[in-house]
Amino acid sequence: QVQLQQSGPGLVKPSQTLSLTCVISGDSVSSNTATWYWIRQSPSRGLEWLGRTYYRSKWYFDYAASVRSRITIYADTSKNQLSLHLNSVTPEDTAVYYCARDPSGFQWYFDLWGRGTLVTVSS
Amino acid sequence: QSALTQPASVSGSPGQSITLSCSGSNSDVGKYNLVSWYQQHPGKAPQLMIYEDAKRPSGVSNRFSGSKSGNTASLTISGLQAEDEADYYCCSYAGYTTVVFGGGTKLTVL
Repeated sequence: QVQLQQSGPGLVKPSQTLSLTCVISGDSVSSNTATWYWIRQSPSRGLEWLGRTYYRSKWYFDYAASVRSRITIYADTSKNQLSLHLNSVTPEDTAVYYCARDPSGFQWYFDLWGRGTLVTVSS
Repeated sequence: QSALTQPASVSGSPGQSITLSCSGSNSDVGKYNLVSWYQQHPGKAPQLMIYEDAKRPSGVSNRFSGSKSGNTASLTISGLQAEDEADYYCCSYAGYTTVVFGGGTKLTVL
């Protein structure tokens, strides 16, 4: 059974970096078919995709325009996990953050989600 | 890209059929066969109900069906049950390596 286990702090101070981890079990972060996403959800912004990574002979990373200057996604094959780093956060970044999988790679649907991590940006 | 438009709320009685709409544009919903639908219960992660406009993942009840006409996608739930009460979100690929979501519809089972 494929599972995504998220971890990371629930409180981040403004201007600091938000860092979350998603450990994958039952699949591989370096799968040649799946694509791995970070998506967030807030009352003010709704559901919003942030970025994705996938491996097709080499690693690829795509980021949403809204966060492109502040986001980095990492894939760690030794730990079979992906990580999200979002720097210079503001209260607008307060949201539930999810990691998710597109099993087909490029069909832009998400069949598996982590349980979500509520991250509050506050001093 | 603008968010897709969904009605804020819809209600129905047990046993009824209801249809949730998702309005986009000819740059997203109308251009690609890549609309997906998600059900979300309070405090839970979204769950995939429909993908590629009308395909149903294994394990999802056949009471759920998806369709599309022009720039509007629809999710129909037949034989409404109490457990169907949840928020429903549509999602569409919008080109240029981006995806847009709808604002969500709260379904109430009366």
